Amino acid sequence: ETGVTQTPRHLVMGMTNKKSLKCEQHLGHNAMYWYKQSAKKPLELMFVYSLEERVENNSVPSRFSPECPNSSHLFLHLHTLQPEDSALYLCASSQVPLAGGGGTDTQYFGPGTRLTVL
Amino acid sequence: GDSVTQMEGPVTLSEEAFLTINCTYTATGYPSLFWYVQYPGEGLQLLLKATKADDKGSNKGFEATYRKETTSFHLEKGSVQVSDSAVYFCALLDTGRRALTFGSGTRLQVQP
Repeated sequence: ETGVTQTPRHLVMGMTNKKSLKCEQHLGHNAMYWYKQSAKKPLELMFVYSLEERVENNSVPSRFSPECPNSSHLFLHLHTLQPEDSALYLCASSQVPLAGGGGTDTQYFGPGTRLTVL
Repeated sequence: GDSVTQMEGPVTLSEEAFLTINCTYTATGYPSLFWYVQYPGEGLQLLLKATKADDKGSNKGFEATYRKETTSFHLEKGSVQVSDSAVYFCALLDTGRRALTFGSGTRLQVQP
């Protein structure tokens, strides 16, 4: 499998459920991202992990909890969500330039998980 | 802060028409600029990019030139096809930042 994959592709959950979104990148990149795409707002960054450390958290509510166990995998754990959290959640990866060069910072996206919160 | 402004859609064209989607940006550093495309029910695909002033990105017949003097990165294609129907996003990555800043997207509808 190549590129960036996300599972599940569709998820319907109640407000009291706990679920997790999974992202896997097969590109050998060292950074991973969660973005949220909702109907009425531009794409917005949620979290950034670089070299498995969270380097950016864009004021996301605590009901969203990211986890990056290694450079190829990224999870988004969801609990007690609200209906307004219904959106397309996109994962991306990139090769962040390191000391000594290498990497272009171009982000490659997965197909997304369409989340509906009832 | 950084921002990207795109022309509002939808843009409706006939097959083989010329396409322009305008994009202008505001950034504090020296950003890289991108166009992404999103087909129905799918994620974002990188269409083209440019990393410095006067660079021209091109792919699949689409082109965009990084114009620093007008802070623009307009997307063009000489002859659109029905299969080009999608939402197009302009984005920038500013110096030292990790997150892309996206425009609101422009929906293109190409009719046979």
